[in-house]
Amino acid sequence: SYVLTQPPSVSVAPGQTARITCGGNNIGSKSVHWYQQKPGQAPVLVVYDDSDRPSGIPERFSGSNSGNTATLTISRVEAGDEADYYCQVWDSSSDHHVFGTGTKVTVL
Amino acid sequence: QVQLVQSGAEVKKPGASVKVSCKASGYTFTSYYMHWVRQAPGQGLEWMGIINPSGGSTSYAQKFQGRVTMTRDTSTSTVYMELSSLRSEDTAVYYCARTTRSLDAFDIWGQGTMVTVSS
Repeated sequence: SYVLTQPPSVSVAPGQTARITCGGNNIGSKSVHWYQQKPGQAPVLVVYDDSDRPSGIPERFSGSNSGNTATLTISRVEAGDEADYYCQVWDSSSDHHVFGTGTKVTVL
Repeated sequence: QVQLVQSGAEVKKPGASVKVSCKASGYTFTSYYMHWVRQAPGQGLEWMGIINPSGGSTSYAQKFQGRVTMTRDTSTSTVYMELSSLRSEDTAVYYCARTTRSLDAFDIWGQGTMVTVSS
């Protein structure tokens, strides 16, 4: 089955840039989506199709995808960005949706 | 507004079954696929399967084949997820979430239903 690997944690100071990676075999050929999940809440879609943002999501959230790595970038990080972040793809070979292992972003 | 409202928390004994509901509102129920995703305490997200509310067809993750059943009631815009032969490892928050026919991202999520399996 298809595996998506994320770093367990990323720490960043307020106002700086956080980059969260999502590794998978030839992930650049797939559409990657990213979710933010705060404690006790349901996930929220923050980036879809590699780099598009749903309405209401700040421009500070951006994404890229190439080769074996997709990246979610959060610019000008704020305290409210502290959360768990998950990448997700649809794997056509198994017809399964797959989530990454998740990354906890801590704002110092 | 578009929303998915799930049924309340459940406590079940090992070996029992649980049925969780997810009521959709604010959009055309049959125009979007519905999925179930679960999250064990302190763990990540795990996709369980999909139902097409239009015709009722389903596809389940291999891990849950034979134990999960997803159904829908178009008259009430509600989907259901039933998980049988429960074990302690099934203790988790269960979410419903929708995708469009052209985009496989989960754009709307239910609030989650906590299912606790304990003797």
